[in-house]
Amino acid sequence: RKEVEQDPGPFNVPEGATVAFNCTYSNSASQSFFWYRQDCRKEPKLLMSVYSSGNEDGRFTAQLNRASQYISLLIRDSKLSDSATYLCAVNLNTGNQFYFGTGTSLTVIP
Amino acid sequence: GAVVSQHPSRVICKSGTSVKIECRSLDFQATTMFWYRQFPKQSLMLMATSNEGSKATYEQGVEKDKFLINHASLTLSTLTVTSAHPEDSSFYICSASLHIRNSPLHFGNGTRLTVT
Repeated sequence: RKEVEQDPGPFNVPEGATVAFNCTYSNSASQSFFWYRQDCRKEPKLLMSVYSSGNEDGRFTAQLNRASQYISLLIRDSKLSDSATYLCAVNLNTGNQFYFGTGTSLTVIP
Repeated sequence: GAVVSQHPSRVICKSGTSVKIECRSLDFQATTMFWYRQFPKQSLMLMATSNEGSKATYEQGVEKDKFLINHASLTLSTLTVTSAHPEDSSFYICSASLHIRNSPLHFGNGTRLTVT
């Protein structure tokens, strides 16, 4: 079983739409959670950390559900520039082990 | 803070040659760095964990004699692809994190290797 499971998509949404991605993780001892954005042929870049109480950064909202072992990312009012692959990441915080999802591809259509 | 720099960003080499990729943590010390590989339209694959002053830990299926990792200082790890072949053509990315609880991974800008 994979440490982190993520729907690869693709998600094709119109500009202005709201879109949500989920990731599930298998290890209940996971301690820290992140969302990354990766543009084509570029390295992943940290989008936001995910905190237990949920957190928001502009149009982006991240949430953690420890009971069901999933994290989510909500993007409101999608822009063309949001088109990218979004990866979730989980860290056990022991031995500094990070596990990444396979990434979800998002295309925002004009 | 937590800037990771990788060099070169692009390499084209002939089959049989060796290629060295450098990964530096610019504004922090990284006792551990991670090397990933990503083939087109595929997910990140962890190749190895580089530990300063000791041997790297390789993931299953990654040949340690082919992908030589050296982490001689707290700010520099190198990956050498020895006797490269066309199937080694890929996007190689290093990363590191601050040794602070709940710190994220920060990635270098990646090296696109093409072996002809």
